[in-house]
Amino acid sequence: EDQVTQSPEALRLQEGESSSLNCSYTVSGLRGLFWYRQDPGKGPEFLFTLYSAGEEKEKERLKATLTKKESFLHITAPKPEDSATYLCAVHPAGGSEKLVFGKGTKLTVNP
Amino acid sequence: DAGVIQSPRHEVTEMGQEVTLRCKPISGHNSLFWYRQTMMRGLELLIYFNNNVPIDDSGMPEDRFSAKMPNASFSTLKIQPSEPRDSAVYFCASSLVTGYTDTQYFGPGTRLTVL
Repeated sequence: EDQVTQSPEALRLQEGESSSLNCSYTVSGLRGLFWYRQDPGKGPEFLFTLYSAGEEKEKERLKATLTKKESFLHITAPKPEDSATYLCAVHPAGGSEKLVFGKGTKLTVNP
Repeated sequence: DAGVIQSPRHEVTEMGQEVTLRCKPISGHNSLFWYRQTMMRGLELLIYFNNNVPIDDSGMPEDRFSAKMPNASFSTLKIQPSEPRDSAVYFCASSLVTGYTDTQYFGPGTRLTVL
């Protein structure tokens, strides 16, 4: 069964304190891995798609990386407006191929 | 672009009542997805339409749930009869091309509470 596990469940940082969120996955094959940001009361907002091990993508203070077993979302010098829940989803190859989401990491950045 | 539009934003109903959730996808998008989000199970796909045709409904929990897409700009998710365990946030998402590969754009969701 395809599985996605995100850690930690919650993370509190001080403004400017860099850290990383983890997304580990178990799939028979990977077509792609997605990162989304979700603010309270809103739908998930697309951040990145990664397709192969070694790939990296950046957007402002965020950088996503991918290995064969996990992905990291690195947050450099975060600001309070980066506070949100970050969701990881995998698009498995084979089977129904529907996206499998992790439960997310709730990030809080204090000023 | 207005993005994906969902209505109502909040719905409170009593057990046994029929509930209809509505979605307008982004114009020109060919794929539409209905998801359910709960604290326990996270975000789960209920059903996927491509060009208005249901392709994958394996996530629909039981016969009480049904979904339709009569045209490219409108979809409904109906629960009849509703039960307290159906309480969740229901999201609609759309994407430009066929399948799960393309970026999915989510609506704001409908928070359903069944008493």
